Amino acid sequence: EAQVTQNPRYLITVTGKKLTVTCSQNMNHEYMSWYRQDPGLGLRQIYYSMNVEVTDKGDVPEGYKVSRKEKRNFPLILESPSPNQTSLYFCASSLSQGYTEAFFGQGTRLTVV
Amino acid sequence: GQQLNQSPQSMFIQEGEDVSMNCTSSSIFNTWLWYKQDPGEGPVLLIALYKAGELTSNGRLTAQFGITRKDSFLNISASIPSDVGIYFCAGQGRNAGGTSYGKLTFGQGTILTVHP
Repeated sequence: EAQVTQNPRYLITVTGKKLTVTCSQNMNHEYMSWYRQDPGLGLRQIYYSMNVEVTDKGDVPEGYKVSRKEKRNFPLILESPSPNQTSLYFCASSLSQGYTEAFFGQGTRLTVV
Repeated sequence: GQQLNQSPQSMFIQEGEDVSMNCTSSSIFNTWLWYKQDPGEGPVLLIALYKAGELTSNGRLTAQFGITRKDSFLNISASIPSDVGIYFCAGQGRNAGGTSYGKLTFGQGTILTVHP
């Protein structure tokens, strides 16, 4: 089954404790991205990757890092989480840079206390 | 950056009613997309529009790509309880070189509640 898998689904952590949210897709997609969803703001892009070892900032990259060492995986790293990073996070993938249909993971609800 | 304004923010309707929502942009998009998000899930693509003026249907859903390329609307006819969820519009533009790029800009979402 074609899917985008995020882990964990739920995470509560403390300020400053580094964490990683994993994302994996099994569709051989080139383009992957991370979004955060906040009430009244819709989804905002954090980082995206057009292919292995090619990443770039989205609209709200501050406080986040990503890596793309393999085509299927695109982890999101919070080196020093802060409460304003409490949000619902989605990973998405699409066939290539110019291909519009994005497949989303089920989301990771992160709470930073 | 590009911004999308989606309205209404929320709708409370009776089963069987028709629904209409729209998105407007401060800049031109080359592709408009409509997604639905069920509670606890990620967004799922409903309709994609690729050409100005295009009108596309998917069952009870109809969406149009505005002629100015700065707006789009989504209609749902004869709503049913499973239509409940958050609907997002999203636009995709082109970079300075004219190549499509994968970045999607999302609207704020319309929360739809359908009363049986």
